[in-house]
Amino acid sequence: EIVLTQSPGTLSSSPGERATLSCRANQSVSSKYLAWYQQKPGQAPRLLIYGASSRATGIPDRFSGSGSGTDFTLTISRLEPEDFAVYHCQQYGTSPYTFGQGTKLEIK
Amino acid sequence: QLQLQESGPGLVKPSETLSLTCTVSGGSISSSRYYWGWIRQSPGKGLEWIGNIYNNGGTFNNPSLKSRVTISVDTSKNQFSLNLTSVTAADTAVYYCARHVLGPTEGWFDPWGQGTLVTVSS
Repeated sequence: EIVLTQSPGTLSSSPGERATLSCRANQSVSSKYLAWYQQKPGQAPRLLIYGASSRATGIPDRFSGSGSGTDFTLTISRLEPEDFAVYHCQQYGTSPYTFGQGTKLEIK
Repeated sequence: QLQLQESGPGLVKPSETLSLTCTVSGGSISSSRYYWGWIRQSPGKGLEWIGNIYNNGGTFNNPSLKSRVTISVDTSKNQFSLNLTSVTAADTAVYYCARHVLGPTEGWFDPWGQGTLVTVSS
């Protein structure tokens, strides 16, 4: 199965700053079949990005995704207070569908 | 707006069967475009896909759970269910149901239910 490793485990940033989160796969993810989710405490994950770079409905354009092959990035251009949460990546190119262990974005 | 809601016991004894139901509202589980899935999140760990079902009852599961998983669908009730047999403490987790947007170029989960915590303990 494809193992996804997210880094850093925890990212400390301030509102207004740019945040860059990484998701690396141990083998190539087919055709950019990668999604990103945001999860706040006590809530279910919410889809942010699919197809590595397409924003889901209602997601602000400060969220952007990029990458291909084994290296993918989620960028939040200008952090808002509501963006501090845990972010998960998921690959759906190969079954079993797998997730990364998550990156916690916390307020510095 | 599509919503999903998990229901079932919050406590299961070791070696017994964990049973959960997901009720879908605001849309039909019989929609031809979608699968319906279960995902779990163990305390302090990442998300793990358990398995999926289509409205005709076709399923496919994560091999890591081997033959312990059964997923079924009841289109008349707009529900699908998860049975996980022979549970151990390692199966303690928050269990989510979600719509699986699955197609030639698709495979993400959206939306998700709120999740339900299942603890395996005697």
